[in-house]
Amino acid sequence: GNSVTQMEGPVTLSEEAFLTINCTYTATGYPSLFWYVQYPGEGLQLLLKATKADDKGSNKGFEATYRKETTSFHLEKGSVQVSDSAVYFCFRGSTLGRLYFGRGTQLTVWP
Amino acid sequence: DVKVTQSSRYLVKRTGEKVFLECVQDMDHENMFWYRQDPGLGLRLIYFSYDVKMKEKGDIPEGYSVSREKKERFSLILESASTNQTSMYLCASSPKPRPGEDSPLHFGNGTRLTVT
Repeated sequence: GNSVTQMEGPVTLSEEAFLTINCTYTATGYPSLFWYVQYPGEGLQLLLKATKADDKGSNKGFEATYRKETTSFHLEKGSVQVSDSAVYFCFRGSTLGRLYFGRGTQLTVWP
Repeated sequence: DVKVTQSSRYLVKRTGEKVFLECVQDMDHENMFWYRQDPGLGLRLIYFSYDVKMKEKGDIPEGYSVSREKKERFSLILESASTNQTSMYLCASSPKPRPGEDSPLHFGNGTRLTVT
């Protein structure tokens, strides 16, 4: 089927810690993959994307690599800041223009 | 930048009322979507539309309907609001995908609806 499995939260880290949020997907083809971020009280914003195998998306210090062999798109950041506290969603696309997504991971970063 | 505008940030309605949630996008996108977001459940797709006057049911269409009379506007209608429809409602739009690539969604800031 078509689904996205995302690491459950909440994740709590100290400032400057390393972040990984796992995301794996199932798909019959090679969908585009996305990470979105939702800050408190706001809608979702596109953080980064990758459209084919081995692509690396990056933005604001976050990175994710499209791994076809493990069907994964894990989000990483080397040194988190308090301002990164938000909910992160992993999405995958479909040929019908519809996106499938994980349930979101709440990240809290303490100073 | 794409702008997706939802008409209200907060709404309070009574049980049984007919409720309209409006969404407008300014980038001539073909696709528009309505989701609801609830703690522990993530985002769930209610309805979507690929073109004017087109609509498709998502995963949880019961109790909702939609209208897309113009390309830029996609309305979500709660025919008779109930307390279990208290939620955050998010509208999104996307362009037609390019070959070999899925389009990202552009979201509005959401409408928090409370039904009492």
